[in-house]
Amino acid sequence: NAGVTQTPKFQVLKTGQSMTLQCAQDMNHEYMSWYRQDPGMGLRLIHYSVGAGITDQGEVPNGYNVSRSTTEDFPLRLLSAAPSQTSVYFCAIRGTTTNEKLFFGSGTQLSVL
Amino acid sequence: AQSVAQPEDQVNVAEGNPLTVKCTYSVSGNPYLFWYVQYPNRGLQFLLKYITGDNLVKGSYGFEAEFNKSQTSFHLKKPSALVSDSALYFCAVRDGAGTYKYIFGTGTRLKVLA
Repeated sequence: NAGVTQTPKFQVLKTGQSMTLQCAQDMNHEYMSWYRQDPGMGLRLIHYSVGAGITDQGEVPNGYNVSRSTTEDFPLRLLSAAPSQTSVYFCAIRGTTTNEKLFFGSGTQLSVL
Repeated sequence: AQSVAQPEDQVNVAEGNPLTVKCTYSVSGNPYLFWYVQYPNRGLQFLLKYITGDNLVKGSYGFEAEFNKSQTSFHLKKPSALVSDSALYFCAVRDGAGTYKYIFGTGTRLKVLA
């Protein structure tokens, strides 16, 4: 998966709990993003970052926070998990040399009870 | 804002027959168009892209796609389907004159029957 590491692979939370999904890359790519995948909804962009210190909202940002303090890491934070956030989460990266091609991590399957 | 529509939830095709997976898009600027494939319990893999140039683009595993500006379409095609092509296919778009948002469609499940 082109050096994109997502942890954990699986997580079960109770409503109201907080957690951080990790995305790390060793490709020195400036662009990182988070998607969620739900049946019938496809992939929806949550947040993205074009470089350290720069983040922006995607299509479905509510309930999620991000920060980008380093080039390598782009964590996704759920401050108070809700059942509607049950989903599979993918991190995707892109570099200036990849000509618009996104590389995806293997995903985190999150269940909120 | 850009958007992508994949009108078919599922496409069934017999092995050896040609396949088409449909995609239409909407952007205000220049469309950058992509196809990705997802096999079970895996992340997405890049198949092909259109940025500029020839309207017919060729990609991995024998797939190709045709950019049609007048119909705002970017359909994925393959002349002869294989059972191993069975997977979930996503079309995506970015507005080349806009932000760095890559917007995906809802996906089309391709089932190739032996």
